[in-house]
Amino acid sequence: SAVISQKPSRDICQRGTSLTIQCQVDSQVTMMFWYRQQPGQSLTLIATANQGSEATYESGFVIDKFPISRPNLTFSTLTVSNLSPEDSSIYLCSVVVGPWQGRNEQFFGPGTRLTVL
Amino acid sequence: KNQVEQSPQSLIILEGKNCTLQCNYTVSPFSNLRWYKQDTGRGPVSLTIMTFSENTKSNGRYTATLDADTKQSSLHITASQLSDSASYICVVSSSGTYKYIFGTGTRLKVLA
Repeated sequence: SAVISQKPSRDICQRGTSLTIQCQVDSQVTMMFWYRQQPGQSLTLIATANQGSEATYESGFVIDKFPISRPNLTFSTLTVSNLSPEDSSIYLCSVVVGPWQGRNEQFFGPGTRLTVL
Repeated sequence: KNQVEQSPQSLIILEGKNCTLQCNYTVSPFSNLRWYKQDTGRGPVSLTIMTFSENTKSNGRYTATLDADTKQSSLHITASQLSDSASYICVVSSSGTYKYIFGTGTRLKVLA
């Protein structure tokens, strides 16, 4: 398994500012992802955090708005820039480990609840 | 288009009762299907994972079924407890990719 911690657990930010979220994993993992979960919605993949290279962003998400760092195999940060109320969401870090018995397993961090005023 | 649809959107049951949540998917090629439980304010936690060849998987009071022919899955909760109140998310992955397609979830509330 993989144990994931995120900081901060929650924050309230002013419009126009930025928030950086940290994700720490208790073991080295290759595949690390950032998700957004808007109120009442399911999870949407923002990007894959690649160690030592630029993140791979999904359609609708851009690096200027969601810069990601991945300095090593256990740590990543997601910054949400130029905040607006529409950015109010839960942001989740996730890793995929394995394969164990022929399959991969996905684990999630506890999430960071962001409220933008 | 790869999609995962869940029903019902929300469900309220009395403690001790059973319930069944549904998941229909159109993901192809199919690799595996997972059910997650997400408590309010927490990240999702895996309950079960099933591949193409598995049609049932249990985890305590949770039993998941998979019909790969009709592309349907269900999660049955037996003798519900107050702690079962959460969102249950069906997630399907496609072969050859680490991309996972998430359903919108079923929000379950168990009342005393």
